[in-house]
Amino acid sequence: QVQLEQSGAEVKKPGASVKVSCKASGYSFTSNDLNWVRQATGQGLEWMGWINPNSGNTGYAQKFQGRVTMTRDTSISTAYMELSSLTSEDTAVYYCAKGGGDDGQLDYWGQGTLVTVSS
Amino acid sequence: QSALTQPASVSGSPGQSITISCTGTSSDIGSYNLVSWYQQYPGKAPKLMIYVASKRPSGVSNRFSGSKSGNTASLTISGLQAEDEAEYYCCSYAGSSTLVFGGGTKLTVL
Repeated sequence: QVQLEQSGAEVKKPGASVKVSCKASGYSFTSNDLNWVRQATGQGLEWMGWINPNSGNTGYAQKFQGRVTMTRDTSISTAYMELSSLTSEDTAVYYCAKGGGDDGQLDYWGQGTLVTVSS
Repeated sequence: QSALTQPASVSGSPGQSITISCTGTSSDIGSYNLVSWYQQYPGKAPKLMIYVASKRPSGVSNRFSGSKSGNTASLTISGLQAEDEAEYYCCSYAGSSTLVFGGGTKLTVL
């Protein structure tokens, strides 16, 4: 079965960077895009961007361009999302989600990683 | 990209039907049929319920249905059950390989 296993919770200081990992299993890692979505406490879902694990190509939401980097390591079927220049407004649960194909849906989600930014 | 517009909350009694709307623009919902809906319980990851506006993934109850007209997509849940109480989010392709979510709708089963 498809599983996306994310790294554990992080606590970071303002101005620092955080790197969250997402290990895929149960499907061919390079066959589908991997998206990242975040959710601040009590707030809605916010799409951050995607990576094509096969080519390494990425696409980011305008809000995060210049501050987010998505990478992958195909040898271990793992995708990464690094967010820099953190502020308290980046405190959120970060999810990775597998793209379902060319139809825009996100068909499997990781369990989420809580990133807390606090001085 | 501005978030899609959803009502903050809807409610219904067991057995009834409810509809959640999701309004976008001609740049997202109006231009593409690529609308999906997600169900989220507190503290849990979202779950895909509808994709391509009206298709149900395997395993999702046929009580859930989706539609789209113009710049607005809708999710209808028929035969409401207590277990349907959750937050629901719409999402649309917005061109240039981007996605945009709605603000979410809390469904309360009375």
